[in-house]
Amino acid sequence: EAQVTQNPRYLITVTGKKLTVTCSQNMNHEYMSWYRQDPGLGLRQIYYSMNVEVTDKGDVPEGYKVSRKEKRNFPLILESPSPNQTSLYFCASSPPNRGEQFFGPGTRLTVL
Amino acid sequence: AQSVTQLDSHVSVSEGTPVLLRCNYSSSYSPSLFWYVQHPNKGLQLLLKYTSAATLVKGINGFEAEFKKSETSFHLTKPSAHMSDAAEYFCVVSDQPSGTYKYIFGTGTRLKVLA
Repeated sequence: EAQVTQNPRYLITVTGKKLTVTCSQNMNHEYMSWYRQDPGLGLRQIYYSMNVEVTDKGDVPEGYKVSRKEKRNFPLILESPSPNQTSLYFCASSPPNRGEQFFGPGTRLTVL
Repeated sequence: AQSVTQLDSHVSVSEGTPVLLRCNYSSSYSPSLFWYVQHPNKGLQLLLKYTSAATLVKGINGFEAEFKKSETSFHLTKPSAHMSDAAEYFCVVSDQPSGTYKYIFGTGTRLKVLA
C-alpha cells in the first residue's frame, strides 16, 4: 500500500532532550516536506527536500533540523526541544511538478 | 511572494444545502492551487487541485472549485452538504518557479453541518 509513515505517533518529552521523528514513504517520491499544525494557524512548512541531499527551509525552520540521505526517509530532528514546539507534525511526500502531497498520519509532540 | 487567505474560519450549513468555502490567493507566478480536507483526528486528504488546465476543477465527494485569475480566488463549493462533510478544509497555494517548491496553507475553515 502506498503510504507515508511517521514514528512515533505520540511523544511527550522534556525541554532540551534531543528527539527525532522519522518519516518514510514507499512511493519513490522526490519531494518530501515537514509541517507543523497549530490551532488557528493552519499548517506551516518547516523544511522541504527536493531530492536526496537537497533540503531547504520553509517558513518556520528555527529549532529544527532535517536530513535526506535516502530517497524514502526524511527525519525531523529537534536538538533542544522547547515548549513552543509542542504541536502536531505532519510529513508529506509528492511527485515532481507541484503535484498532490501525500500526508502521513501525524505526530503529536508535547514538550514539557 | 505567495500567500493564501481563507475568508471564513467557521461555516455552518444545514444538511442538503449548498456549501461555499472561500479562498483568495496571492501569487507572483502561475500558481498551483489545492483544497485538502482534514476530518477530526485524521490526516489530510486531497479534495482537488488546479494546475493550469481547466479552470473549473472537480474533486472527490461532489466538491468542485473554480480558478478565477481576475479575482485571485479559488472557492470550494458543493451543491448539497452531507453530515460526513463536517471537517476542516485547507486551501493551499504553490507557485515557486521550477526548481524549488514551497506550499503555503491557509488557516483553515471548519465546516459544521446541521441536521
